[in-house]
Amino acid sequence: EVRLVESGGGLVQPGGSLRLSCEASGFTITSSWMHWVRQAPGKGLVWISRINTDGATTNYADSVKGRFTISRDTAKNTVYLQMNSLRVEDTAVYYCGRGPGSHSDYWGQGTLVTVSS
Amino acid sequence: QSALTQPASVSGSPGQSITISCTGASSDIGGYNYVSWYQQHPGKAPKLMIYDVSDRPSGVSNRFSGSKSGNTASLTISGLQAEDEADYYCSSYTSSRILVFGGGTKLTVL
Repeated sequence: EVRLVESGGGLVQPGGSLRLSCEASGFTITSSWMHWVRQAPGKGLVWISRINTDGATTNYADSVKGRFTISRDTAKNTVYLQMNSLRVEDTAVYYCGRGPGSHSDYWGQGTLVTVSS
Repeated sequence: QSALTQPASVSGSPGQSITISCTGASSDIGGYNYVSWYQQHPGKAPKLMIYDVSDRPSGVSNRFSGSKSGNTASLTISGLQAEDEADYYCSSYTSSRILVFGGGTKLTVL
């Protein structure tokens, strides 16, 4: 059974950093693109980043480029989202998903990131 | 990259059909057959309903169908059921090698 479990969310001050993890089971992350999307409270989904099957290609939305970094540890079958220089507007539930590069067929349940002083 | 444009809300009665539109540009919807649709119930993770414009994942009801014409994609739900009440989001691959979502459409089953 495919399962994705996000963790690492919490409360952080503006300008701070946080690293989110997405532990995968039921498949290997080397066989799928992995995506991060977020959803601010009461708002819609926003695509953030993706990493390809060999880890050599990463893409980012303009809103996070230069501040967020997607990476992975194949031994742990886990994908990460390192978030630096956090802003109040980064407050959201962050979901990871797997799939081809164009969409995600499975999503985790999300982890909440709150950026506030 | 601007978000795709969806109507904020649509509604229909049980048994009826509804269509949700998703308008983009030649750099996203119009340029690629990589449009997907997601359903999201309150407090839940998104669920993939349609991918590559019109393909349905295994397990998704054939009441859900997708299409595209030019820069606009559409999701049609036929035989509307109470459980279909949810938020629906379209998404597309773009020429910038990123993905973009629509703003979401709230479907109300009357």
